[in-house]
Amino acid sequence: QVQLVQSGAEVKKPGASVKVSCKASGYTFTSYTVHWVRQAPGQRLEWMGWINAGNGNTKYSQKFLGRVTILRDTSTSIAYMELTSLRSEDTAVYYCARDVRSEPWGFFDFWGQGTLVTVSS
Amino acid sequence: DIQMTQSPSTLSASVGDRVIITCRASQSISIWLAWYQQKPGKAPQLLIYKASSLESGVPSRFSGSGSGTEFTLTISSLQPDDFATYHCQQYDSYPWTFGQGTKVEIK
Repeated sequence: QVQLVQSGAEVKKPGASVKVSCKASGYTFTSYTVHWVRQAPGQRLEWMGWINAGNGNTKYSQKFLGRVTILRDTSTSIAYMELTSLRSEDTAVYYCARDVRSEPWGFFDFWGQGTLVTVSS
Repeated sequence: DIQMTQSPSTLSASVGDRVIITCRASQSISIWLAWYQQKPGKAPQLLIYKASSLESGVPSRFSGSGSGTEFTLTISSLQPDDFATYHCQQYDSYPWTFGQGTKVEIK
């Protein structure tokens, strides 16, 4: 069965960086695009970007350009999301989610369990 | 960015009720809309895509309709497992955006 298992909760200071991992299993990792979506407390879901796990192409939301990097390691079937220059507003649960095909269509059929990132001094 | 607005934000209903949630887009998104269900502490789950296509394994009491700027999610007969928050999401234009969510509570 398809599973996306994310790394554990993180606590970071303002200005620091965080790297969250998402290990895929139960399907051919390189045949699908992986997205990152976050949800701040009491806020709506927010799409951050995607990576085509096959060819490594990426696209990011303009809001996060320059601060977010999405990577993948095909040998371990893991996708990563790194966010730099953290501020308190980045406190959120970060999800990885699988697109329904290799080229991104834009909606997500399987999600990771979420990783809480807390930014606090 | 395309703004997605759901109504109502909270809905109180009883088991067996017919429930309708509306999602409006700030500009036309054709049929490129998905609906998700989210329970507390859990990740969202896909219910509907392409405005009206039911995801595999989702009960048939869920249905979606609409095109352009106005969409609805209907639960024909609310079941105990359906008390949750529902989100719409457009994937017509970047950045893909979500509605603020509709919480369905027990009346």
